[in-house]
Parts: sequence; structure tokens; C-alpha cells
Amino acid sequence: QKEVEQNSGPLSVPEGAIASLNCTYSDRGSQSFFWYRQYSGKSPELIMSIYSNGDKEDGRFTAQLNKASQYVSLLIRDSQPSDSATYLCAVRETSGSRLTFGEGTQLTVNP
Amino acid sequence: GAGVSQSPSNKVTEKGKDVELRCDPISGHTALYWYRQRLGQGLEFLIYFQGNSAPDKSGLPSDRFSAERTGESVSTLTIQRTQQEDSAVYLCASSWGQGAYGYTFGSGTRLTVV
Repeated sequence: QKEVEQNSGPLSVPEGAIASLNCTYSDRGSQSFFWYRQYSGKSPELIMSIYSNGDKEDGRFTAQLNKASQYVSLLIRDSQPSDSATYLCAVRETSGSRLTFGEGTQLTVNP
Repeated sequence: GAGVSQSPSNKVTEKGKDVELRCDPISGHTALYWYRQRLGQGLEFLIYFQGNSAPDKSGLPSDRFSAERTGESVSTLTIQRTQQEDSAVYLCASSWGQGAYGYTFGSGTRLTVV
């Protein structure tokens, strides 16, 4: 079983729609969760972090965390073509300092 | 520096040669991490430094891989006797403390072994 799993892509949404990206993790003790965006040929860029159950909003982005279900999600409202990228879910392990990444979900926003 | 700096940005080497990849973290970041990303795949953890010690090197794939760090500054990842399966982008990241607030990646070194 993979430690961090993301919904398989690619995901395609029309411009202006809501894009929903999902992630589950296996380490029940994990406390820190992150979403990174990676444009093709570029390095990952941190866009959201979440540490407590519930929702955290930042502009058009909302991260949601449910520790009981070991589930993290990222919602992108009013999706723009510039949001087209691979989104990586990352979970900080309880046993150390490393982040474990999911395989990523490729999002395409069609104009 | 303002960001995490990696060099070279691209490296093409012949199979069997040794290569050195360099990472200069953000000034003041005590933690430094190396990851590998093969084409179309996720990030694979290699090694973590806190200061100049490496409490977690469990991701190094073989004894051909080694890394060192000078104080809280530059790190070098060395791959000896390179193989074609070593071809990937090698990403370095740094963070405050133990990375509780996520970390910042450099632009990576694209290694191609021919």
C-alpha cells in the first residue's frame, strides 16, 4: 500500500469550474499536510499547508483535512488555464522530518 | 540566498562516470533534503540533513550514492559509476527547523546518463 495516494488523473475541467483533488495517507499520526503545484519542467511550489481538521481557504484555493478518514483534498474554485499543472499531495511523517509525496494528479483547465 | 540554488541545471554524462550535484539552501535553513524525480513519476526521497549530520539517509538507492553537507550550507550529492536508471531530475529542498511548515525546492538538476 502506498503511503500517500492521490486520485488518478489526468483531470480535465472547463475554465471557471471547481477542480477537486483528493489524497489519502496511511500514517495515522501525521500532523502536517501540504499541496504543491508543479508546472511541466519546473520544480514543485508550495501552495497550501493544513494542520487541523476542517477547511483552510487562501484565495481560490481551499484545503480540507479529515484526520479520522486520513483524507486531504484541494479545491480550486474558478479554475483558470494557468492552474493547469500537476498537483502533489505531501504528508510529513511522524517518525521524522521528511515529506512523503503522492504521485501527483495532472490537472488541465480548458479555456 | 533568496532561493534554493542548484547546479548544474543540466548534466549529461557517460555511463560509468561519477557526477557531483550541488545544492545551496536558503540562508538560515537548517534542514536540507534531496529528492529524485524520474520522468512522469512522483518525488522519491533520498536523504535529509539537519545541519551537517544526516539523520535519515534511508532513501539512498545504493552505495553508489552519497551526500555530504558543510555546516548549514552547501550540500553535494555524488553518484559514482552512473547507470542509465540514474537518469532523473534531482531536486534539493531546504526548510526551517524540521520542515513542519513545508519546504522550498530548488529548480533541480536534470541528469541524463548515456
